[in-house]
Amino acid sequence: GAGVSQSPRYKVAKRGQDVALRCDPISGHVSLFWYQQALGQGPEFLTYFQNEAQLDKSGLPSDRFFAERPEGSVSTLKIQRTQQEDSAVYLCASSLDTGSVSYEQYFGPGTRLTVT
Amino acid sequence: DAKTTQPPSMDCAEGRAANLPCNHSTISGNEYVYWYRQIHSQGPQYIIHGLKNNETNEMASLIITEDRKSSTLILPHATLRDTAVYYCIVRSPTGGGNKLTFGTGTQLKVEL
Repeated sequence: GAGVSQSPRYKVAKRGQDVALRCDPISGHVSLFWYQQALGQGPEFLTYFQNEAQLDKSGLPSDRFFAERPEGSVSTLKIQRTQQEDSAVYLCASSLDTGSVSYEQYFGPGTRLTVT
Repeated sequence: DAKTTQPPSMDCAEGRAANLPCNHSTISGNEYVYWYRQIHSQGPQYIIHGLKNNETNEMASLIITEDRKSSTLILPHATLRDTAVYYCIVRSPTGGGNKLTFGTGTQLKVEL
């Protein structure tokens, strides 16, 4: 079946521009996660949705980062007024997690954001 | 979640077994050991997980010591396509929505 897809795969933004990154999770997966991966580092958690509810946004680095999942399926990560330090790969993952059990996460290929 | 320690890099000859170690001395009783890998320019891929018994699937085997303070991921016949960064993660399966806390992992290089 189809896996997690992300678009665009690559994005170049000038400093100060706003960007929107899209994630299409696996159909039927209740939970959706966003991670940020800097060059040479492991992914770092940004935020978590259960259906349309954003239950954890403790990893968002600043108020310039905003994520939404209005209908409980597709999610968008928005970064306002991009800065050079926002350059990274942004990974989306989905899982069958319920409110009480965590399952393995399935990752998309990521969006590589370069801020110039 | 408990912290894990892995060697930064390892080499393995194609066709031989790759044994990747992980220390997790502060693991608590309800935490599982998960392994993911990340091939260059791809997202992480789930491999296997376990609590205290050894586990095997079509990709790998997981050996967890009796005291649960360390584990080893075994790729029985490594191929060039197994070249990747391997992450050992300790995580509780209860509570839902538990994020994965990645370290820097082990870069496995499989060579001819």
